[in-house]
Amino acid sequence: NAGVMQNPRHLVRRRGQEARLRCSPMKGHSHVYWYRQLPEEGLKFMVYLQKENIIDESGMPKERFSAEFPKEGPSILRIQQVVRGDSAAYFCASSLTLMRGGRYEQYFGPGTRLTVT
Amino acid sequence: EDKVVQSPLSLVVHEGDTVTLNCSYEVTNFRSLLWYKQEKKAPTFLFMLTSSGIEKKSGRLSSILDKKELFSILNITATQTGDSAIYLCAVDFRNQFYFGTGTSLTVIP
Repeated sequence: NAGVMQNPRHLVRRRGQEARLRCSPMKGHSHVYWYRQLPEEGLKFMVYLQKENIIDESGMPKERFSAEFPKEGPSILRIQQVVRGDSAAYFCASSLTLMRGGRYEQYFGPGTRLTVT
Repeated sequence: EDKVVQSPLSLVVHEGDTVTLNCSYEVTNFRSLLWYKQEKKAPTFLFMLTSSGIEKKSGRLSSILDKKELFSILNITATQTGDSAIYLCAVDFRNQFYFGTGTSLTVIP
């Protein structure tokens, strides 16, 4: 039973390029969350998606950032025209849709460390 | 604004010591409060708390929630060097998980 998978684990981009981060949730999970962790800061919520729907994107910058979770395939976080300030660790988490046995927790992927040069 | 505040920000203890990590939050009517341990990788789940006053235990770790006073604590007894990590607290509120900045725990031999 594979956990949440993210790739790539490390990504280096020059300023102005596009970064594409992928997240495959745990089997059976249809809710995906993206977080950004800047150096010396905590995890910050970015966006919450279900299959083919963006439920809440209030934590995502209005420009250059977009996310999708298609019916088939992984969830994608896309950052266009990256800037140095985008350098961070980006974590994806997934969860079940329903309370099951009283447990409803998120499972995190290993993260993608983006470095913008 | 910071909905979740953790203290202390960092802590250094000797092996065998007992530590208490604090998490205070502003939101009410949340679904649950969660504790995670983060080493040099993704956060790993420790506890989920939904009811006030009920302690959750797992080995040397335990946690409790006080919904009246809006805080939770994470206790670690007989600490080991492998407990060195950042401990994150998060509140599940309106489909978002709000995280604190974490407490960095270092356990020295």
